[in-house]
Amino acid sequence: AQSVTQLDSHVSVSEGTPVLLRCNYSSSYSPSLFWYVQHPNKGLQLLLKYTSAATLVKGINGFEAEFKKSETSFHLTKPSAHMSDAAEYFCVVSESHTGNQFYFGTGTSLTVIP
Amino acid sequence: GAGVSQSPRYKVTKRGQDVALRCDPISGHVSLYWYRQALGQGPEFLTYFNYEAQQDKSGLPNDRFSAERPEGSISTLTIQRTEQRDSAMYRCASSSGQGISPLHFGNGTRLTVT
Repeated sequence: AQSVTQLDSHVSVSEGTPVLLRCNYSSSYSPSLFWYVQHPNKGLQLLLKYTSAATLVKGINGFEAEFKKSETSFHLTKPSAHMSDAAEYFCVVSESHTGNQFYFGTGTSLTVIP
Repeated sequence: GAGVSQSPRYKVTKRGQDVALRCDPISGHVSLYWYRQALGQGPEFLTYFNYEAQQDKSGLPNDRFSAERPEGSISTLTIQRTEQRDSAMYRCASSSGQGISPLHFGNGTRLTVT
Protein backbone atom coordinates (compact mmCIF):
# COMPACT_ATOMS: atom_id res chain seq x y z
CA ALA A 1 0.00 0.00 0.00
CA GLN A 2 1.07 3.52 -0.66
CA SER A 3 1.07 6.33 1.85
CA VAL A 4 2.66 9.68 2.42
CA THR A 5 3.66 11.20 5.73
CA GLN A 6 4.46 14.87 6.05
CA LEU A 7 6.33 15.06 9.29
CA ASP A 8 5.55 18.66 10.18
CA SER A 9 2.13 20.22 10.03
CA HIS A 10 3.60 23.71 10.46
CA VAL A 11 7.03 25.14 9.67
CA SER A 12 8.10 28.69 10.42
CA VAL A 13 11.27 30.26 9.01
CA SER A 14 12.71 33.75 8.77
CA GLU A 15 12.94 35.40 5.40
CA GLY A 16 16.27 34.61 3.75
CA THR A 17 16.87 31.40 5.73
CA PRO A 18 16.67 27.85 4.35
CA VAL A 19 13.43 25.92 4.06
CA LEU A 20 13.09 22.20 4.75
CA LEU A 21 9.72 20.47 4.42
CA ARG A 22 9.88 16.75 5.18
CA CYS A 23 8.06 13.97 3.40
CA ASN A 24 8.34 10.20 3.82
CA TYR A 25 6.53 7.68 1.73
CA SER A 26 5.80 4.01 1.77
CA SER A 27 5.58 2.15 -1.50
CA SER A 28 6.01 -1.40 -2.62
CA TYR A 29 7.09 -0.33 -6.08
CA SER A 30 9.10 2.46 -7.63
CA PRO A 31 6.95 5.49 -6.93
CA SER A 32 6.56 8.80 -8.62
CA LEU A 33 6.58 11.69 -6.19
CA PHE A 34 5.34 15.25 -6.44
CA TRP A 35 5.22 18.41 -4.42
CA TYR A 36 2.29 20.80 -4.84
CA VAL A 37 1.87 24.27 -3.38
CA GLN A 38 -1.37 25.97 -2.46
CA HIS A 39 -1.42 29.66 -1.69
CA PRO A 40 -4.31 31.00 0.40
CA ASN A 41 -7.60 30.80 -1.46
CA LYS A 42 -5.85 29.53 -4.57
CA GLY A 43 -5.67 26.26 -6.47
CA LEU A 44 -2.98 23.60 -6.28
CA GLN A 45 0.11 24.21 -8.37
CA LEU A 46 2.76 21.63 -9.26
CA LEU A 47 6.17 22.56 -7.81
CA LEU A 48 8.19 19.59 -9.01
CA LYS A 49 8.04 15.88 -9.76
CA TYR A 50 10.25 12.83 -9.50
CA THR A 51 9.66 9.99 -11.95
CA SER A 52 12.77 7.77 -11.65
CA ALA A 53 15.19 9.98 -13.54
CA ALA A 54 17.65 12.17 -11.60
CA THR A 55 17.22 11.84 -7.84
CA LEU A 56 17.70 15.58 -7.30
CA VAL A 57 14.79 17.38 -8.85
CA LYS A 58 14.60 21.11 -9.45
CA GLY A 59 11.26 22.83 -9.47
CA ILE A 60 9.81 26.27 -9.82
CA ASN A 61 10.57 29.24 -7.57
CA GLY A 62 13.95 27.87 -6.48
CA PHE A 63 12.63 24.74 -4.79
CA GLU A 64 14.36 21.36 -4.99
CA ALA A 65 13.68 17.89 -3.68
CA GLU A 66 15.90 14.84 -3.37
CA PHE A 67 14.59 11.30 -3.70
CA LYS A 68 16.37 9.02 -1.22
CA LYS A 69 15.23 5.47 -1.66
CA SER A 70 17.18 4.15 1.33
CA GLU A 71 15.41 6.63 3.58
CA THR A 72 12.09 6.55 1.69
CA SER A 73 12.16 10.33 1.76
CA PHE A 74 11.45 13.16 -0.65
CA HIS A 75 12.14 16.31 1.33
CA LEU A 76 11.54 19.74 -0.20
CA THR A 77 14.18 22.43 0.23
CA LYS A 78 14.91 26.00 -0.74
CA PRO A 79 18.13 27.82 0.15
CA SER A 80 16.52 31.14 0.99
CA ALA A 81 12.89 31.70 1.91
CA HIS A 82 10.90 34.54 0.42
CA MET A 83 7.75 36.07 1.83
CA SER A 84 5.84 34.82 -1.20
CA ASP A 85 6.68 31.21 -0.25
CA ALA A 86 4.19 31.30 2.61
CA ALA A 87 1.64 28.65 1.62
CA GLU A 88 0.48 25.09 2.19
CA TYR A 89 2.67 22.37 0.68
CA PHE A 90 1.52 18.85 -0.20
CA CYS A 91 3.66 15.80 -0.90
CA VAL A 92 2.01 13.30 -3.26
CA VAL A 93 2.91 9.74 -4.25
CA SER A 94 1.71 7.72 -7.20
CA GLU A 95 2.41 4.28 -8.62
CA SER A 96 1.60 3.25 -12.15
CA HIS A 97 0.63 -0.27 -11.17
CA THR A 98 -2.29 1.10 -9.14
CA GLY A 99 -3.72 2.72 -12.24
CA ASN A 100 -2.39 6.19 -11.69
CA GLN A 101 -3.87 6.73 -8.27
CA PHE A 102 -2.45 9.71 -6.36
CA TYR A 103 -2.13 9.85 -2.58
CA PHE A 104 -1.80 13.20 -0.79
CA GLY A 105 -0.03 13.94 2.45
CA THR A 106 -1.82 16.01 5.06
CA GLY A 107 0.12 19.14 4.16
CA THR A 108 2.68 21.45 5.76
CA SER A 109 1.86 25.07 6.35
CA LEU A 110 4.89 27.28 5.78
CA THR A 111 5.08 30.65 7.51
CA VAL A 112 7.80 33.12 6.53
CA ILE A 113 8.69 35.70 9.14
CA PRO A 114 9.95 39.06 7.85
CA GLY B 1 -8.74 24.26 -23.26
CA ALA B 2 -5.73 25.88 -21.69
CA GLY B 3 -6.41 24.52 -18.24
CA VAL B 4 -8.91 22.58 -16.17
CA SER B 5 -12.14 24.50 -15.94
CA GLN B 6 -14.69 23.99 -13.18
CA SER B 7 -18.13 25.48 -12.89
CA PRO B 8 -19.71 27.03 -11.04
CA ARG B 9 -16.97 28.69 -8.98
CA TYR B 10 -19.37 29.11 -6.07
CA LYS B 11 -22.57 27.28 -5.30
CA VAL B 12 -24.88 27.97 -2.38
CA THR B 13 -27.73 25.55 -1.97
CA LYS B 14 -30.29 24.65 0.63
CA ARG B 15 -30.09 21.39 2.50
CA GLY B 16 -31.93 18.65 0.67
CA GLN B 17 -31.37 20.04 -2.81
CA ASP B 18 -29.36 18.26 -5.49
CA VAL B 19 -26.27 19.88 -7.01
CA ALA B 20 -24.20 19.13 -10.09
CA LEU B 21 -20.61 20.25 -10.36
CA ARG B 22 -18.93 20.33 -13.72
CA CYS B 23 -15.33 19.75 -14.75
CA ASP B 24 -13.87 20.35 -18.19
CA PRO B 25 -10.36 18.83 -18.28
CA ILE B 26 -7.39 19.82 -20.36
CA SER B 27 -8.04 18.77 -23.94
CA GLY B 28 -6.74 15.28 -24.61
CA HIS B 29 -6.20 14.35 -21.00
CA VAL B 30 -7.17 10.75 -20.42
CA SER B 31 -7.51 10.74 -16.65
CA LEU B 32 -9.84 12.88 -14.59
CA TYR B 33 -9.97 13.03 -10.81
CA TRP B 34 -12.34 14.48 -8.24
CA TYR B 35 -11.15 15.58 -4.80
CA ARG B 36 -12.83 17.29 -1.88
CA GLN B 37 -10.93 19.70 0.33
CA ALA B 38 -12.18 20.98 3.65
CA LEU B 39 -10.76 24.18 5.12
CA GLY B 40 -7.25 23.59 6.44
CA GLN B 41 -7.13 20.03 5.14
CA GLY B 42 -5.47 18.28 2.24
CA PRO B 43 -7.37 17.07 -0.82
CA GLU B 44 -9.43 13.96 -0.13
CA PHE B 45 -9.80 11.56 -3.05
CA LEU B 46 -13.33 10.93 -4.26
CA THR B 47 -13.15 9.17 -7.62
CA TYR B 48 -11.33 9.03 -10.93
CA PHE B 49 -11.84 8.11 -14.56
CA ASN B 50 -9.71 6.89 -17.41
CA TYR B 51 -11.55 7.96 -20.54
CA GLU B 52 -15.23 7.33 -19.73
CA ALA B 53 -14.59 4.43 -17.37
CA GLN B 54 -14.80 5.09 -13.66
CA GLN B 55 -11.70 3.33 -12.33
CA ASP B 56 -12.09 3.91 -8.63
CA LYS B 57 -14.99 5.36 -6.66
CA SER B 58 -13.88 4.17 -3.27
CA GLY B 59 -13.57 7.74 -1.98
CA LEU B 60 -17.19 8.70 -2.55
CA PRO B 61 -18.55 9.18 0.99
CA ASN B 62 -21.97 7.57 0.44
CA ASP B 63 -24.52 6.81 -2.23
CA ARG B 64 -25.68 10.43 -2.44
CA PHE B 65 -22.48 11.12 -4.36
CA SER B 66 -22.03 10.02 -7.95
CA ALA B 67 -19.90 11.01 -10.92
CA GLU B 68 -19.94 10.41 -14.62
CA ARG B 69 -17.84 11.15 -17.66
CA PRO B 70 -19.99 9.80 -20.48
CA GLU B 71 -17.89 10.85 -23.46
CA GLY B 72 -14.50 10.69 -21.83
CA SER B 73 -14.13 14.45 -21.58
CA ILE B 74 -16.38 16.61 -19.37
CA SER B 75 -17.31 15.13 -16.01
CA THR B 76 -20.13 15.87 -13.61
CA LEU B 77 -20.08 15.22 -9.88
CA THR B 78 -23.60 15.04 -8.50
CA ILE B 79 -24.57 15.28 -4.86
CA GLN B 80 -28.16 14.38 -4.08
CA ARG B 81 -30.10 15.57 -1.03
CA THR B 82 -27.24 17.79 0.10
CA GLU B 83 -26.36 18.06 3.77
CA GLN B 84 -24.44 20.76 5.61
CA ARG B 85 -21.48 18.41 6.04
CA ASP B 86 -21.12 18.36 2.24
CA SER B 87 -19.91 21.98 2.34
CA ALA B 88 -16.34 22.05 1.02
CA MET B 89 -14.19 22.95 -1.95
CA TYR B 90 -14.56 20.36 -4.70
CA ARG B 91 -11.53 20.13 -6.93
CA CYS B 92 -11.14 18.46 -10.28
CA ALA B 93 -7.81 17.49 -11.79
CA SER B 94 -6.75 15.89 -15.04
CA SER B 95 -3.62 14.19 -16.29
CA SER B 96 -2.46 12.97 -19.65
CA GLY B 97 -2.41 9.41 -18.37
CA GLN B 98 0.89 8.67 -20.07
CA GLY B 99 3.18 7.05 -17.57
CA ILE B 100 2.95 8.95 -14.33
CA SER B 101 2.03 12.42 -15.46
CA PRO B 102 1.20 15.02 -12.83
CA LEU B 103 -2.24 16.25 -11.91
CA HIS B 104 -3.36 19.61 -13.23
CA PHE B 105 -5.97 21.15 -10.98
CA GLY B 106 -8.84 23.45 -11.68
CA ASN B 107 -9.74 26.35 -9.40
CA GLY B 108 -12.43 24.34 -7.68
CA THR B 109 -16.10 24.80 -6.84
CA ARG B 110 -16.87 26.14 -3.37
CA LEU B 111 -20.07 24.43 -2.23
CA THR B 112 -21.98 25.85 0.71
CA VAL B 113 -25.04 24.02 1.98
CA THR B 114 -27.26 26.14 4.19
